[in-house]
Amino acid sequence: NAGVTQTPKFQVLKTGQSMTLQCAQDMNHEYMSWYRQDPGMGLRLIHYSVGAGITDQGEVPNGYNVSRSTTEDFPLRLLSAAPSQTSVYFCASSYGPTERAEAFFGQGTRLTVV
Amino acid sequence: AQSVSQHNHHVILSEAASLELGCNYSYGGTVNLFWYVQYPGQHLQLLLKYFSGDPLVKGIKGFEAEFIKSKFSFNLRKPSVQWSDTAEYFCAVNDPYNTDKLIFGTGTRLQVFP
Repeated sequence: NAGVTQTPKFQVLKTGQSMTLQCAQDMNHEYMSWYRQDPGMGLRLIHYSVGAGITDQGEVPNGYNVSRSTTEDFPLRLLSAAPSQTSVYFCASSYGPTERAEAFFGQGTRLTVV
Repeated sequence: AQSVSQHNHHVILSEAASLELGCNYSYGGTVNLFWYVQYPGQHLQLLLKYFSGDPLVKGIKGFEAEFIKSKFSFNLRKPSVQWSDTAEYFCAVNDPYNTDKLIFGTGTRLQVFP
């Protein structure tokens, strides 16, 4: 089982550039989420989705867009990268509401914005 | 709003020492609690979880945690740590106002020396 796959693993962007972080899961999970991990701040929820066609904002959504056209994929878009978006990004999926279901995480994408 | 505190930011132990990592949350109602671990270079994975019932929860790799409602705590313990336990440990709790959200603590970095 591949589980949750994130690409790329590393990325360097210039300020103002746009890019998409890819996330795919093969477990047929309805719930998917994006987090960013910053030193001393733990994981903070950016956006999440409870099923195809349904997305909602998390704790730190500004500067990011998401869409969920299929159950498997949940890409995260940075429209105009800023240095404050330098972080490690994790995608997660679960079979049910995250309050009760184990979240499975991808390997992470380390993004640097210069 | 729900918040999670992990007061130990960095813990250094020798092998065979006992471990206790603190986790406190703020919401006084029904909670679901999790401990996740992130080994160096790897993704987060679930160590253990508490939803209801016996407040002493056993997880993988010899870890356990005790839910003490009166203290709003869910501390992680292991009687004898190994070098392979070197990792970052995150406590998480459900958002009581949104079943689709988890709130993570800032993490505790554990280093175990042989």
